[in-house]
Amino acid sequence: EVQLVESGGGLVQPGGSLRLSCTASGFTFSSRVMYWVRQTPGKGPEWISAISNSGSDIYYTDSVKGRFTISRDNSKNTVFLQMNSLRADDTAKYYCAKIGVRDGFDTWGQGTMVTVSS
Amino acid sequence: AIQMTQFPSSLSASVGDRVTITCRASQGIGIYLGWYQQKPGRAPKQLIYAASNLQSGVPSRFSGSGSGTDFTLTINTLQPEDFATYYCLQDHSYLTFGGGTKVES
Repeated sequence: EVQLVESGGGLVQPGGSLRLSCTASGFTFSSRVMYWVRQTPGKGPEWISAISNSGSDIYYTDSVKGRFTISRDNSKNTVFLQMNSLRADDTAKYYCAKIGVRDGFDTWGQGTMVTVSS
Repeated sequence: AIQMTQFPSSLSASVGDRVTITCRASQGIGIYLGWYQQKPGRAPKQLIYAASNLQSGVPSRFSGSGSGTDFTLTINTLQPEDFATYYCLQDHSYLTFGGGTKVES
C-alpha cells in the first residue's frame, strides 16, 4: 500500500522551531519529487516547498523562504521540513504529498498540525 | 507565479443534479491540471489528473475537460457523498491551488 506518514507537529511559541518528518512506503521514494503543502482551517491548501528526487533541486514559496528548509534521506524514505522563526500565520495542518497531477500517482499523508501560539 | 481562479466559490445543489466547476489559469498550463475533492478533516483526494484523466477508483460521474487556461470539472448525477469542497491544482510551474468550490445542499 502506498502511504505517507507525517510526524513532528505540535504547539510552539512564536520564534520557535519544529522539524516535520514524512516517511514513505509502497513506492520508489527515490524516484519522486516530494512536496509539503499546508492548510489553515477553513481555507484552501497552499504549496510551500518541493524537493527533487535526488535532493539537488529545492523550491519554496516566498512566505517561507529563509525560514523553512526541506531535505530528504532516500535511504530512509523520509522527507523533512525544518521550520524556524515560526509565526502565528504558520499555524496550519501540514501535509506531505507525492503530487500526481501529470501521471495520477498521487498520495497525501494524513497531515500533522502545527500551532504557533504563546 | 501562475494564479488559478476557481468559480463559483460555493454552490447549492441537490442529489441528481449536474454540477460544473471552472478553473482559469493566469497563463497557459497545457494539461497540467488536477481536480481534488476534500472533506472536513481529510487530505485532498485526487479525482482527475492531466485535465481529463479519471483517477483509478473514482466514479465515472466525475469528468474533467480543458487545456491551456480554461478547465472544467463536471459531476453528473450528484450523489450524497459528493457534498464536499473541490480544488483545482496546476503543476506547470511550481504548484498553485484554486480557491475552492464548496458544494452544499
